[in-house]
Amino acid sequence: DAGVIQSPRHEVTEMGQEVTLRCKPISGHNSLFWYRQTMMRGLELLIYFNNNVPIDDSGMPEDRFSAKMPNASFSTLKIQPSEPRDSAVYFCASMTSGSTDTQYFGPGTRLTVL
Amino acid sequence: DAKTTQPPSMDCAEGRAANLPCNHSTISGNEYVYWYRQIHSQGPQYIIHGLKNNETNEMASLIITEDRKSSTLILPHATLRDTAVYYCIVRVLFGNEKLTFGTGTRLTIIP
Repeated sequence: DAGVIQSPRHEVTEMGQEVTLRCKPISGHNSLFWYRQTMMRGLELLIYFNNNVPIDDSGMPEDRFSAKMPNASFSTLKIQPSEPRDSAVYFCASMTSGSTDTQYFGPGTRLTVL
Repeated sequence: DAKTTQPPSMDCAEGRAANLPCNHSTISGNEYVYWYRQIHSQGPQYIIHGLKNNETNEMASLIITEDRKSSTLILPHATLRDTAVYYCIVRVLFGNEKLTFGTGTRLTIIP
């Protein structure tokens, strides 16, 4: 299996632009998680989906952030408009819900907002 | 989920066993102990997990005290590639699959 796939791996954009991060979970996994990592706040959960349905979005910072999972093999995290404080590494992870199974993380997208 | 406490940093000589402690004194009976590590610039990587029995896999051993209030991750023969930040996390198995990462322990393997 190719593991969790994220794209792009690096994104540099200017303040005010829309940014879309993409994630393809491991085939067969039915839970998907979006995390953000910064030096100041560490690794924090933004939102997670179970069977394509958002279960907990309490970590989404504000209305500028939105996440969708249109099907079991694809999810997006969108920031509109982007701000410099959104600069971070964004990780996607997937797992099989309701098991002792672990979460498998993707390689991350490093976002820089100028 | 229960809170965990880990030392911020540790050093270990290459080839020796690395023992990473974690305190989770408020752990509930239905919470598992998970260990992840994050090598610089990579996504977190699962290492091992357990409920109350000691566990061993190809990467590490997990020793959980009888009262479950603390645990130790053991890397039996540390190599330079084991230099990473190690996170100890407790989570309920069903109903809430979130992982709450603390600040972890930065383990440095010394040649």
